[in-house]
Amino acid sequence: GQQVMQIPQYQHVQEGEDFTTYCNSSTTLSNIQWYKQRPGGHPVFLIQLVKSGEVKKQKRLTFQFGEAKKNSSLHITATQTTDVGTYFCAENSGGYQKVTFGTGTKLQVIP
Amino acid sequence: DVKVTQSSRYLVKRTGEKVFLECVQDMDHENMFWYRQDPGLGLRLIYFSYDVKMKEKGDIPEGYSVSREKKERFSLILESASTNQTSMYLCASSPPGYYGYTFGSGTRLTVV
Repeated sequence: GQQVMQIPQYQHVQEGEDFTTYCNSSTTLSNIQWYKQRPGGHPVFLIQLVKSGEVKKQKRLTFQFGEAKKNSSLHITATQTTDVGTYFCAENSGGYQKVTFGTGTKLQVIP
Repeated sequence: DVKVTQSSRYLVKRTGEKVFLECVQDMDHENMFWYRQDPGLGLRLIYFSYDVKMKEKGDIPEGYSVSREKKERFSLILESASTNQTSMYLCASSPPGYYGYTFGSGTRLTVV
């Protein structure tokens, strides 16, 4: 089935540094969703991008969908310890709105 | 706020037991899903349902079955639990259309 790859798998940053995770697909994506999972928690939906080249912002988080709709990125400006967790991209496609999740990027923020 | 409630946070069962994991959502969502999450393997779809009494296999349905007798409730059944089914099980729901999922808090199942 469809595979959505994320890089990096892990990232350690100093508090205040920026962080970016990338999501790549070999085929065109219908849309891209982003989720955050805190340690010990469950995934929480952050945002969905649908249009080619779309950019959306949520406070310090910037989400981008590639022009060819084959990649996406999540950028966090000036990380805080509350940003710790695993970030997943996902595609909601096909019948019945099945979501296929990427492999995830685990972010650790060092205070 | 949409709520998806999973009946147990932690569960320990013996090999060969029949196990029921319950999930209830309170927002009248048509779609419900069961995933398992394992380190290094990410989130994998087991089964989903888009309507009462309807079910579809996901990517890893072997060893599992599901039941959806009422719209708000979606149960995952492990017919004969095995140690390789030790995992975190996550239930999710969504309305029809391209919306994000709302997940429950998860059930960490250990099969001994």
